[in-house]
Amino acid sequence: EAGVTQSPTHLIKTRGQQVTLRCSPISGHTSVYWYQQALGLGLQFLLWYDEGEERNRGNFPPRFSGRQFPNYSSELNVNALELEDSALYLCASSLWGQGIDEQFFGPGTRLTVL
Amino acid sequence: RKEVEQDPGPFNVPEGATVAFNCTYSNSASQSFFWYRQDCRKEPKLLMSVYSSGNEDGRFTAQLNRASQYISLLIRDSKLSDSATYLCVVNGGGGAQKLVFGQGTRLTINP
Repeated sequence: EAGVTQSPTHLIKTRGQQVTLRCSPISGHTSVYWYQQALGLGLQFLLWYDEGEERNRGNFPPRFSGRQFPNYSSELNVNALELEDSALYLCASSLWGQGIDEQFFGPGTRLTVL
Repeated sequence: RKEVEQDPGPFNVPEGATVAFNCTYSNSASQSFFWYRQDCRKEPKLLMSVYSSGNEDGRFTAQLNRASQYISLLIRDSKLSDSATYLCVVNGGGGAQKLVFGQGTRLTINP
C-alpha cells in the first residue's frame, strides 16, 4: 500500500514569492494534516482538513492557507514568503472519520526561502 | 511550560542496553498518545500508540499514567538501527486532532 506522497521534494523561493505544496494521503484516508518543522523549533501543527473542510488551524498567519480536494488530496499555499518560512513541510493522513487517529507522515517538502 | 516535555538527551548507549525515555504532558484533556521515531532529515514514523493499560511491541514497551500525565517508552536489547530521535506526541484532545510534539530525544546506539 502506497504511503503519503508529497511534491515537490525540494523548493527554493525568494522572499515575497508564493508557493504551493501538494500532498496525497494514503488510499482511504479522508483526513489530511500539515505540519511545519523549522530548524530548532520542532514540529508545529498548521492545518487539518477532513472531507474537504478545514477543521482546525494552528497558530500561523493567514498567509498560510490550503484546501482539500474531492479525492482527499490537499495543497498548502504560502503567500508573501518570509525567510523564517524555510522549513520542512510535512503532510500526514489518518482515518479520523473511522475513529482511528494515528497519523502517518509523508516524506515532506523542504522549502528554502532566500 | 511546554505542552509536551521530554528528557533532554542525548542518550549514548551500547548495543544491547535497555533505554528508557520519559515524557510529561500538560493538557489533561488529551486523549491519544504516541511515540514516533525520526531519522535525520526524514519524516516521523509512528512507532507505537500508547494505551492506558500499557502496551508492548517486541522490544518496545510504552506506558501511560493519566493521573501523573506521564508517558514512557522502554527499549530492550537495543540495536544499532534503533539510533534515531524519539518523539513523544500527544493529540490535543477535544476533537482538535492537533498533534503536539515533544522536542525529541536523540538516541545513539554504539557498537
